[in-house]
Amino acid sequence: DGGITQSPKYLFRKEGQNVTLSCEQNLNHDAMYWYRQDPGQGLRLIYYSQIVNDFQKGDIAEGYSVSREKKESFPLTVTSAQKNPTAFYLCASSSLEGVEETQYFGPGTRLLVL
Amino acid sequence: RKEVEQDPGPFNVPEGATVAFNCTYSNSASQSFFWYRQDCRKEPKLLMSVYSSGNEDGRFTAQLNRASQYISLLIRDSKLSDSATYLCVVNPSNTGKLIFGQGTTLQVKP
Repeated sequence: DGGITQSPKYLFRKEGQNVTLSCEQNLNHDAMYWYRQDPGQGLRLIYYSQIVNDFQKGDIAEGYSVSREKKESFPLTVTSAQKNPTAFYLCASSSLEGVEETQYFGPGTRLLVL
Repeated sequence: RKEVEQDPGPFNVPEGATVAFNCTYSNSASQSFFWYRQDCRKEPKLLMSVYSSGNEDGRFTAQLNRASQYISLLIRDSKLSDSATYLCVVNPSNTGKLIFGQGTTLQVKP
């Protein structure tokens, strides 16, 4: 089945700890995105990548880092510099061909701080 | 002013009712528009793209008004299963960076 997978579903972070959220897609999409969603709020863009080995900061990149070593994978690291990491993290991908920019989402990871 | 604004609701309607949501956007150069549906604690899923001429998919109709910079979603004959949050999404350029509204919550009651 084609789609986007995220793991883990739930993740607990201790103070001062870096944690990495996984995102994999087999849709052959060029672009991948990371969003954060807080209760009652819209999605906010953290980082995005339109090509392997290249990525750009979104609106709230501070305290996060990413890599794009493979087309299929776009892991997000939440560093200890992110002081309020508790949120629902969503990964998405899209094809950049033509005018269709529909983004398809993975099931998300809920990050909680212990 | 937010780039994409929606009335958060909640909209509480009985089964069978017709309900409409509006969304306004600030960037007049925006290129494409979408409605996504998000169930509680789940990921957003594409409901429909919004075309300049308007488009319909079963009980759902989307309209775009570029002059007034708003997008609407009409749901006819509401079902209990339509209960969800509806996200208005705008692509202000061709970068692939989408702007999401905060969502409008719909509760359909029996």
